[in-house]
Amino acid sequence: QVELVESGGGVVQPGRSLRLSCGASGFTFGSHGMHWVRQAPGKGLEWVALISFDGRNKYYADSVKGRFSVSRDNSKSTLYLQMNSLGAEDTATYYCAKDISGSYSFPVSGGIDHWGQGTLVAVSS
Amino acid sequence: SYELTQPPSVSVSPGQTARITCSGDTLSNQRGHWYQHKAGQAPILVMYKDTERPSGIPDRFSGSSSGTTVTLTISGVQAGDEADYYCQSTVNRDSDPVVFGGGTKLTVL
Repeated sequence: QVELVESGGGVVQPGRSLRLSCGASGFTFGSHGMHWVRQAPGKGLEWVALISFDGRNKYYADSVKGRFSVSRDNSKSTLYLQMNSLGAEDTATYYCAKDISGSYSFPVSGGIDHWGQGTLVAVSS
Repeated sequence: SYELTQPPSVSVSPGQTARITCSGDTLSNQRGHWYQHKAGQAPILVMYKDTERPSGIPDRFSGSSSGTTVTLTISGVQAGDEADYYCQSTVNRDSDPVVFGGGTKLTVL
């Protein structure tokens, strides 16, 4: 069965960096687009980033563009999110998620059919 | 504000039918997807491409689309259906192409 396991979350000071990882198994990782989606405490789901199946196409939410970078290593079935210049507004549970499609061309999402359990990122001094 | 608009809350009694709407201009030509999210758990896809039900989702869940609105219908609502429901779609642009609605809290009375 599909399994997505996030790691790398924790408490970090404002302005610092953090890298999240997501290990995937149970499906052909290199055939699917992969998302990062977050949920701040008491708030709804917020889409963060998407990377196409081959890593060539990357998309970001305006709120993180220029600060966050998504990447993947298909040989290791692992997804990454490099987060720089973190602020209090980035405090959230971050979910790794698998798209039904390869996410190479528009429409870039055919629906998100599997999600990880999430990893908590808390930005605090 | 959200590009996909959902009612903040919907309340129904057990056995009744719940309808959750999601409206947005992009839905006039893009498909909508629905997720069920319970606190402390991973979200679950309950409907994709407006009307497609993933395997394992009960047929009490159905979807429809009309104009700029997609609707998730849950028939014979059960206590276990109580959760937050989010719609999601795409917008044809390079930045912020994936959008979620603000979410609807389904309460089973």
